[in-house]
Amino acid sequence: GAVVSQHPSWVICKSGTSVKIECRSLDFQATTMFWYRQFPKQSLMLMATSNEGSKATYEQGVEKDKFLINHASLTLSTLTVTSAHPEDSSFYICSARSPRDRLYNEQFFGPGTRLTVL
Amino acid sequence: GIQVEQSPPDLILQEGANSTLRCNFSDSVNNLQWFHQNPWGQLINLFYIPSGTKQNGRLSATTVATERYSLLYISSSQTTDSGVYFCAVANSGNTPLVFGKGTRLSVIA
Repeated sequence: GAVVSQHPSWVICKSGTSVKIECRSLDFQATTMFWYRQFPKQSLMLMATSNEGSKATYEQGVEKDKFLINHASLTLSTLTVTSAHPEDSSFYICSARSPRDRLYNEQFFGPGTRLTVL
Repeated sequence: GIQVEQSPPDLILQEGANSTLRCNFSDSVNNLQWFHQNPWGQLINLFYIPSGTKQNGRLSATTVATERYSLLYISSSQTTDSGVYFCAVANSGNTPLVFGKGTRLSVIA
């Protein structure tokens, strides 16, 4: 399979600060990455689609100015939570799809980042 | 958009028992994946199975695309099988996965 990493694995920050989460595809190039959010005991909800070299596409209800996504290379996408508030506390998970993998449509997920905003 | 329903929502098994988890979806798909989310939140890829049948050890899966459902079979369950099992689908190569609400499995010794 393909390996996706995330950093940090957990972060605690004060309300009003910004937090950057990195998502890397370690052994393949990913033109498309996805960002999901998961609240306790709930399913994963798509936040945005990140495309290398272009602007991200956000799902309805997700504030693009609050959740800044940058996909500057074929192996790295970043999600920055700006001016974080306690309601932004959640588990953030990224996934990547490899265009060169023989299982073209299969997605691989990172280990997630647990964000707690005090 | 496409809808995904999983059943049962919760399942408690005695160690050694077998189980079947179901995933229904509302539209044709070209990607269907089963995941196991462990207690630390990591999603483990179990199967990529938009159609057909696959087996991996004690786990197997079958997707009947024409009838829009998939089944995940767990045989001889172990306590380490506990966690949440998600089914996720996409109906084109460029679209993200849509997740069901999951089945929470508890295997007790």
